[in-house]
Amino acid sequence: TQLLEQSPQFLSIQEGENLTVYCNSSSVFSSLQWYRQEPGEGPVLLVTVVTGGEVKKLKRLTFQFGDARKDSSLHITAAQTGDTGLYLCAGVYSGGSNYKLTFGKGTLLTVNP
Amino acid sequence: ETGVTQSPTHLIKTRGQQVTLRCSSQSGHNTVSWYQQALGQGPQFIFQYYREEENGRGNFPPRFSGLQFPNYSSELNVNALELDDSALYLCASSLLVTGELFFGEGSRLTVL
Repeated sequence: TQLLEQSPQFLSIQEGENLTVYCNSSSVFSSLQWYRQEPGEGPVLLVTVVTGGEVKKLKRLTFQFGDARKDSSLHITAAQTGDTGLYLCAGVYSGGSNYKLTFGKGTLLTVNP
Repeated sequence: ETGVTQSPTHLIKTRGQQVTLRCSSQSGHNTVSWYQQALGQGPQFIFQYYREEENGRGNFPPRFSGLQFPNYSSELNVNALELDDSALYLCASSLLVTGELFFGEGSRLTVL
């Protein structure tokens, strides 16, 4: 069974603080995605990374894919209340079905004013 | 908004009943994937439909079945409902089998 571990599970911070959330697996991904899900809505894609060592930036969000393509991190700079939500990482495993995304349990982020 | 619509948004059923959930995909998308998201968990892949055929399936029993129609809309059917089937059911459409997924808001099913 391929497991995708996310940490921390819960994170509560003050507006303006920085944070990093992690996504780890013992298996290699062919690609990895990060989503944000708000209450009552479906997940919305933030980014896709495919190359080991890749770094992508989306405004205040920085995504990094590990060199071995087994892990990823999401760093948010100067968090805002609008960043509150469930952050999910999801991967397509190398050698697995290319249409099937395996999701982690997510990190529930609360940014307090 | 992703252009993917699901119905109903909420429903309550009792054990042993059957349920049908519906999904209209984004215009131009020929692929629909269904995911189950239990409370406090990430979404789990149920199956995918491409051009009206099941393209792949996750670890769900046969009482979970689906259909895709010529207009690429889709249904998820669950028979003999169990308490553990209580979850948010998410539909996602994509342009390709491996394309970016656009999720609907989900159907929240409660089984009593």
